[in-house]
Amino acid sequence: AQTVTQSQPEMSVQEAETVTLSCTYDTSESDYYLFWYKQPPSRQMILVIRQEAYKQQNATENRFSVNFQKAAKSFSLKISDSQLGDAAMYFCAYRYGGGTSYGKLTFGQGTILTVHP
Amino acid sequence: DGGITQSPKYLFRKEGQNVTLSCEQNLNHDAMYWYRQDPGQGLRLIYYSQIVNDFQKGDIAEGYSVSREKKESFPLTVTSAQKNPTAFYLCASLGAYGELFFGEGSRLTVL
Repeated sequence: AQTVTQSQPEMSVQEAETVTLSCTYDTSESDYYLFWYKQPPSRQMILVIRQEAYKQQNATENRFSVNFQKAAKSFSLKISDSQLGDAAMYFCAYRYGGGTSYGKLTFGQGTILTVHP
Repeated sequence: DGGITQSPKYLFRKEGQNVTLSCEQNLNHDAMYWYRQDPGQGLRLIYYSQIVNDFQKGDIAEGYSVSREKKESFPLTVTSAQKNPTAFYLCASLGAYGELFFGEGSRLTVL
């Protein structure tokens, strides 16, 4: 079974600084997708960034970027120029690309990010 | 605007009662999901449905039931057989690029 591990229960960063959240996963599959979701105090889950395993290029969305190391099964999220609104719980998630696990995501335990002004 | 609507946001249940959480989407997505979130933990899959009139158990389906009579709707019933139902419940649908779109969630508390 696939597992997703976030080894940092909590992280903190100063406003305008850069922070990196770690995620590792375990799978025997070659076709899969990885995601980072943000859950602010409102509790609604918001997609931050998506990475397809077959793509070598790291995904980037504005201030958010990932470091995808397929061989090491590592998928870290870098937040640049941190803002107060980035404070939230961040979840790493894995989805098998094949049809039998259609759309099912496996989530990590989450990392609480605090942003200090 | 398109999205997923969950209701109610807060729900209280006495032990032994069944309760139903509503989930409606106007995104025209085929697949829908129910996840459970406990404090300080990640999300665990309860049930999912790929098409109307079809659904599959997830990792923690015991004590829950669902129906999918319409594409837009995927209600979740928490039955009295669920031994620890107090949790935050999230409904989601699957987008075209494999990402999940989530509702705002429903918090269920057993009194």
